[in-house]
Amino acid sequence: NAGVTQTPKFRILKIGQSMTLQCTQDMNHNYMYWYRQDPGMGLKLIYYSVGAGITDKGEVPNGYNVSRSTTEDFPLRLELAAPSQTSVYFCASSYSQGPESGNTIYFGEGSWLTVV
Amino acid sequence: QKEVEQNSGPLSVPEGAIASLNCTYSDRGSQSFFWYRQYSGKSPELIMFIYSNGDKEDGRFTAQLNKASQYVSLLIRDSQPSDSATYLCAVPPGNQFYFGTGTSLTVIP
Repeated sequence: NAGVTQTPKFRILKIGQSMTLQCTQDMNHNYMYWYRQDPGMGLKLIYYSVGAGITDKGEVPNGYNVSRSTTEDFPLRLELAAPSQTSVYFCASSYSQGPESGNTIYFGEGSWLTVV
Repeated sequence: QKEVEQNSGPLSVPEGAIASLNCTYSDRGSQSFFWYRQYSGKSPELIMFIYSNGDKEDGRFTAQLNKASQYVSLLIRDSQPSDSATYLCAVPPGNQFYFGTGTSLTVIP
């Protein structure tokens, strides 16, 4: 029972490099999310998707791109990495946000990214 | 205006005491509310969700919701050192899922 799987777990990037954080879920969830969490801070929503082919910006989308070609996968692309993107990145998924069902979101284990 | 606000703490309570954590939200249309616990270096894990006004109890945890005042709280009874963590309030307005900044709780043995 894998749940939400993120790779890589740790990565060091040089300024200006690009990379993709991979995220896949095996729960057939419609909704997927990418968050970043800076040290001692809460989670900030970067992008989210309500289904294959549909993505939308969250609170802090600048410097990132996403795609959702399948229900299972939701990769996050960092273009021209900057030190401000040093953070922990969490991918998450859920069925939907039906208020009475308490459809919570399930998190991956996180990806620690350092830009130097 | 932030969607979800929490007192960042830190909050310290002695073992066996009641810890009280609070969260306010701005979207009056929000219908469900979640509390997550996050240990250092780990991903958040769900503690409770609540969608009706009033209290919801689960073991040592009680969530309280007041939609008129737009706040939701979490009470932890008989606090244990293992409860030491950051507690995040989450409110999903529509398709998004916003988190508060979290309250750091330390339970002192």
